[in-house]
Amino acid sequence: DAGVIQSPRHEVTEMGQEVTLRCKPISGHDYLFWYRQTMMRGLELLIYFNNNVPIDDSGMPEDRFSAKMPNASFSTLKIQPSEPRDSAVYFCASRSMGQGFAFFGQGTRLTVV
Amino acid sequence: QKEVEQNSGPLSVPEGAIASLNCTYSDRVSQSFFWYRQYSGKSPELIMSIYSNGDKEDGRFTAQLNKASQYVSLLIRDSQPSDSATYLCAVDDYGGATNKLIFGTGTLLAVQP
Repeated sequence: DAGVIQSPRHEVTEMGQEVTLRCKPISGHDYLFWYRQTMMRGLELLIYFNNNVPIDDSGMPEDRFSAKMPNASFSTLKIQPSEPRDSAVYFCASRSMGQGFAFFGQGTRLTVV
Repeated sequence: QKEVEQNSGPLSVPEGAIASLNCTYSDRVSQSFFWYRQYSGKSPELIMSIYSNGDKEDGRFTAQLNKASQYVSLLIRDSQPSDSATYLCAVDDYGGATNKLIFGTGTLLAVQP
């Protein structure tokens, strides 16, 4: 398996634009997590899915953020409209039931100017 | 939101010394504990997992868990410059209906040649 795949690796966008981040989890994994990492706040859990169903989105900072998982092999995190304070590295991670630990994708470095 | 706390460091140790990294967590029902290593600009990678009280050794790494004190630690023996990275403690919020994987902010380790 190629691991967790995220795209794009880097994204630079202007304030107010819509940004969509993509993730393909490891095949067979039941859980998918979206994290945001900044120097100030570390690695924050935004939302996670179990069997494609959103379980907890309490970490999503505000309504500008939304996430979907239309099937077991694909998830998106959308920011609309984007703001400079959204600049961070966004990681997607997946794991299987009972495994405990998660595997991370390479991350998307988002810069909003 | 359950809390996982780590000293941000940097923790500086000479090559060949033992590096000791510490983590405390607030949720008494947490069941699974992990240490991830993150090199600058890279994604977190799992290096140790521990589920029971006591010590678990893997090569130069030893994880220690004390559930009564809600304390997890990682010892790195014979530290090498290649061990210089940020070490993230993660706790699985497994006790209730959720299975969130929550991270501390990480400790930066610098091994001096």
